[in-house]
Amino acid sequence: ELKVEQNPLFLSMQEGKNYTIYCNYSTTSDRLYWYRQDPGKSLESLFVLLSNGAVKQEGRLMASLDTKARLSTLHITAAVHDLSATYFCAVDFSRDYGGSQGNLIFGKGTKLSVKP
Amino acid sequence: DAGVTQSPTHLIKTRGQQVTLRCSPISGHKSVSWYQQVLGQGPQFIFQYYEKEERGRGNFPDRFSARQFPNYSSELNVNALLLGDSALYLCASSLGWTGYYEQYFGPGTRLTVT
Repeated sequence: ELKVEQNPLFLSMQEGKNYTIYCNYSTTSDRLYWYRQDPGKSLESLFVLLSNGAVKQEGRLMASLDTKARLSTLHITAAVHDLSATYFCAVDFSRDYGGSQGNLIFGKGTKLSVKP
Repeated sequence: DAGVTQSPTHLIKTRGQQVTLRCSPISGHKSVSWYQQVLGQGPQFIFQYYEKEERGRGNFPDRFSARQFPNYSSELNVNALLLGDSALYLCASSLGWTGYYEQYFGPGTRLTVT
């Protein structure tokens, strides 16, 4: 079964602190996405990770991918209130990216609340 | 450039009714996918269409159907609505239908079934 598991599901942080969100998935994939969703809004693409060892950073967020461990992390540095949102990882389990349909399996999301 | 657009933004329906949701992809994108996001959960894949053909279907009942038009826009239809169909319905477009192509999400349609 294709599964994507995130933890924690809820995260309450103080401003200025660091934390990591984990995304585990059940079978081989080289294509993982991180999204941000604000309440009542759609998904905002944050990072696309396309290979083992990929690391991407944007502002206070850094994402990495370890395909051998089937694990991606989203690290938050010196959190600020504006980062409060729900963060989703999504994995594309297509066996052949050039020849089979793309569809994403999402984790349940991590609801992040950053407090002053 | 305009992103993915969806209409309507919000919709309230009664159990047993039918609903049609609409999606216009980014210009040049030929593939449209539909996702259902129930409150508190991650989005779940419903359908993918490319060049008017269904390329993928998720684990949803036959009450759900979709189609794609020659201009690549798409409609999602849900018949015999149930309370459990209340959700945010997201449309995503991509250049192609395979996993090689990133999907771009629209703002969603919030469906409430009473």
